Amino acid sequence: GEDVEQSLFLSVREGDSSVINCTYTDSSSTYLYWYKQEPGAGLQLLTYIFSNMDMKQDQRLTVLLNKKDKHLSLRIADTQTGDSAIYFCAEDGGYNKLIFGAGTRLAVHP
Amino acid sequence: DVKVTQSSRYLVKRTGEKVFLECVQDMDHENMFWYRQDPGLGLRLIYFSYDVKMKEKGDIPEGYSVSREKKERFSLILESASTNQTSMYLCASSFVQTYEQYFGPGTRLTVT
Repeated sequence: GEDVEQSLFLSVREGDSSVINCTYTDSSSTYLYWYKQEPGAGLQLLTYIFSNMDMKQDQRLTVLLNKKDKHLSLRIADTQTGDSAIYFCAEDGGYNKLIFGAGTRLAVHP
Repeated sequence: DVKVTQSSRYLVKRTGEKVFLECVQDMDHENMFWYRQDPGLGLRLIYFSYDVKMKEKGDIPEGYSVSREKKERFSLILESASTNQTSMYLCASSFVQTYEQYFGPGTRLTVT
């Protein structure tokens, strides 16, 4: 079956890099996504990567995709307190559905 | 800007009550989705709809039903609320050609 797995918590110091990891199971996924949920809010699309890419960079965000290992990561450079949120990895599940991981809660401390 | 709104941010209901959660989107999206979010479980799909009057079961449809009479509005119905339906409910919408979903702010439902 389809399953997306993430670690639940990550704590980093302000100014350091954060790396959030995700594994997925459906090798036919065309796109993989990272969503961000700030406290008390819904989810917002942060970035996505097409399955034929290895890496995508967008300002402080770097997405790495290892299709062989079905491993996706999100690196946030120079992490700030405003980056504190829950980050969800998602893969496309067919019929326009997304399959989400459990979410990684990122805590940024001074 | 895409806007997805949900009728309530917080709702408290009693066991056995019928509960309606409303979601409205203003981007003419064909697809609409209802999820519930629980700590450690992430988002689980309850129902989705790809057109007016069309609905498909998601992963956890038991105890829920939906209604889509107009393209912009998707309602989630708890026929007889139970305490295990206490959760955060998120609505989302998307175009049929894409997987990018736009989310509402969520409704935190407590059933006592």
